[in-house]
This record gives sequence, structure tokens and C-alpha cells, in this order.
Amino acid sequence: EAQVTQNPRYLITVTGKKLTVTCSQNMNHEYMSWYRQDPGLGLRQIYYSMNVEVTDKGDVPEGYKVSRKEKRNFPLILESPSPNQTSLYFCASRMGQQYEQYFGPGTRLTVT
Amino acid sequence: KQEVTQIPAALSVPEGENLVLNCSFTDSAIYNLQWFRQDPGKGLTSLLLIQSSQREQTSGRLNASLDKSSGRSTLYIAASQPGDSATYLCAVRRTRGSTLGRLYFGRGTQLTVWP
Repeated sequence: EAQVTQNPRYLITVTGKKLTVTCSQNMNHEYMSWYRQDPGLGLRQIYYSMNVEVTDKGDVPEGYKVSRKEKRNFPLILESPSPNQTSLYFCASRMGQQYEQYFGPGTRLTVT
Repeated sequence: KQEVTQIPAALSVPEGENLVLNCSFTDSAIYNLQWFRQDPGKGLTSLLLIQSSQREQTSGRLNASLDKSSGRSTLYIAASQPGDSATYLCAVRRTRGSTLGRLYFGRGTQLTVWP
């Protein structure tokens, strides 16, 4: 089944404790992105990647890191999480500009 | 910059009604427009993708139209059912500027269909 998977789905952590949210797609998509969704603010892009080893900042990259060492994986790293990073996070992928975007199921992160 | 607006923000209708959700965008330089459905706390499910050269797309009870020159799209839902209750998001993919290829989202329309 074609899909985007994220792990973990739910995470509660404390301020400053480094964490990684994994994202994997099995569709051989070139483009992958990370978004966060907050009430009243909608979906905002954090980082995106156009291919292996090619990444760029989205609208709200501060406090986040990404890497794209393999085509299928695009992990999101929070080196020192803070409470304002409490949010619902989505990974997404697509083949090219003309193609539809697929989203993962989301990761609900709470930073206390 | 691309701005996407969805009206209304919320809609409550009885089962069986036909309804229209609206999406407008400020920059007509788009590759395509995509409609999504999101259930509370869940991921986004793609409903329809309309390329910039197309006027409409249909999937079951859903029909989406696109008027690129006026910056508008509508999602028509026929014979609504309680299971259609969700938030509907539209998004456009930009073809120019420093954010080439970026997907811009509206804030969504929260739909409730009551029995």
C-alpha cells in the first residue's frame, strides 16, 4: 500500500531533550516536506527536500533540523525542544510539481 | 505572496443537502489546486487534484471546479451525509517566485452534516 508513515504518533517530552520524528514513504517520491498545524494558524511548512541531500527552509524552520540521506526517509530533528513547539506535525511527499501531495497520519508532540 | 482564503469557515447542514465550499487565491500562477479532507486530530486525505489547465474534476459525489483567471475554486458535495463531517482544506501550488513549488493552504471549512 502506498503510504507515508510517521513515528511516533504521540510524544510527550520535556524541554531541552533532543528528539527525532521519523518519516518514510514507499512511493519513490522526490519531494518531501514537514508541516506543523496549530489552531488558528493553519498548516505551516517547516522544511522541504527536493531530493537526496537537497533541503531548504520553509516558513517556520527555527528550532528544527532535517536530513535527507535516503530518498524514502526524511526525519525531523528537534535538538532542544521548547513548549512553543507543541503542535501536530505532518510529513508529506509527492513525485513532482504536477502531482498530488500525500500526507502522513501526523505526530502529536507535547513539550512540557 | 500567495494567500488562500476559504469561505465559509464553518458550515452546518442537514443530511441530504447539496453544498458548495469556496476557495480563493491571490496569485493565478499555479501548477494545480488540491482539495483535502481532515478529520479531527488526523492526517490530510487528498480528495481531488485539478491541474491549472483543467476546469473541473469529479470523484463520486464530489466535484471541484477551477477558474484560474479569477483565482477561485469550488468544491461541490452532492447529497451530503453525516460521514462527510470534517474540515475541508484547499491548497495551491505556486509556479513562480522564491517559493516556487510551495503548497499554500487555506484555513479550511469545518463541515457538520447532521442526521
